[in-house]
Amino acid sequence: SSELTQPPSVSVSPGQTARITCSGDALPKQYSYWYQQKPGQAPVLVMYKDNERPSGIPERFSGSTSGTTVTLTISGVQAEDEADYYCQSTDSSGIFCMFGGGTKLTVL
Amino acid sequence: QVQLVQSGAEVKEPGASVKVSCKASGYTFTGYGISWVRQAPGQGLEWMGWVSAYNGNTNYAQKVQGRVTMTTDTSTSTAYMELRSLRSDDTAVYYCASSRYGSIYDYGMDVWGQGTTVTVSS
Repeated sequence: SSELTQPPSVSVSPGQTARITCSGDALPKQYSYWYQQKPGQAPVLVMYKDNERPSGIPERFSGSTSGTTVTLTISGVQAEDEADYYCQSTDSSGIFCMFGGGTKLTVL
Repeated sequence: QVQLVQSGAEVKEPGASVKVSCKASGYTFTGYGISWVRQAPGQGLEWMGWVSAYNGNTNYAQKVQGRVTMTTDTSTSTAYMELRSLRSDDTAVYYCASSRYGSIYDYGMDVWGQGTTVTVSS
């Protein structure tokens, strides 16, 4: 399969933990990446190589993988984390990139 | 300061072509590639393809294969994306993206342009 599946929405209260999942057949063999996008802005990379955090990204962001599912976890969610989150990976060839459909994180 | 600066908004008629530019500064342009990603109004991100700034090699998404050409000009550190035979569903914000640290296939896309709005309408 050449698709990545995300839940359309996740809602959490401030201070709680948000978990956003992404499923795809190639994920056990290919790296995953996560992007945060706020309205009217370009995406921002928040996780690469499954669980590596770019410089400047808060420690409350973490990534994990289990079989065909990868998860972005945001611990102690803050209001500023409200955004759309997209997972990204490649197909089994490792050449063609693809994005998940995106998950809207709402901070209640 | 690492940045990608894109050309301005475009309005095109169906069947026309559009060429968007993306000028890089603050990092070694020829070291890594440039990806192009688009986002239709209210929709998610869609990867269109990748071009190597080192040797011009390209990988195009199947959906735009045959209509898209991605190139680079190393003398000006500028990447270009040309899309032909435009249709209404090509209306989108087009982003260029790259990595400061290595291949996007290893490090992801950590540098993004500001986006270029392309509107296809008669």
